[in-house]
Amino acid sequence: AQSVTQLGSHVSVSEGALVLLRCNYSSSVPPYLFWYVQYPNQGLQLLLKYTSAATLVKGINGFEAEFKKSETSFHLTKPSAHMSDAAEYFCAVSDSGGYQKVTFGTGTKLQVIP
Amino acid sequence: GAVVSQHPSWVICKSGTSVKIECRSLDFQATTMFWYRQFPKQSLMLMATSNEGSKATYEQGVEKDKFLINHASLTLSTLTVTSAHPEDSSFYICSAQDPLNTGELFFGEGSRLTVL
Repeated sequence: AQSVTQLGSHVSVSEGALVLLRCNYSSSVPPYLFWYVQYPNQGLQLLLKYTSAATLVKGINGFEAEFKKSETSFHLTKPSAHMSDAAEYFCAVSDSGGYQKVTFGTGTKLQVIP
Repeated sequence: GAVVSQHPSWVICKSGTSVKIECRSLDFQATTMFWYRQFPKQSLMLMATSNEGSKATYEQGVEKDKFLINHASLTLSTLTVTSAHPEDSSFYICSAQDPLNTGELFFGEGSRLTVL
């Protein structure tokens, strides 16, 4: 069985500060891992994905995440927060070797303070 | 990236009526689409997997007679909430899998259903 735990349902950062959103996963096989962003009343947009290649994954909008097998983590970071980064972020895992049966975390709402 | 469009983006209906939500892949053919339900301040819950030309596969606990899914073409899947009740009010999101793009999922904008 696969699962994802996102620590912190709400995170607030100042504009220009480091963004760190935490995600830990559980999977019985090497997983695919994803970060999605959701703006109010919209669907999800893929930020980045890990599919067993490089452990440091770079995504859109300056975000990146590092796969750490020893810690079963896939934390999302961005060096400098922008106001437009305010949104909800979902970590997701798939242990089926693809995009089927993706399990989402409960989400972290990022607030950026001017 | 590929575009998936949902319609309507929001709908209000009376209790007991049925509502149909459409999910279209605009620039690719999707043999597989997924329907999710998202409760306020919660994550997405997979409801069912929609396969073109065959019956949908429902997740445990999802009533297939309540949530009718039809995937009649490679670009369209529909979700019909039958005999809707206030507890069916939710944000429904679809995603489509692009087989030519490593199978990546592309999400629709979501449809907010309010049942009075």
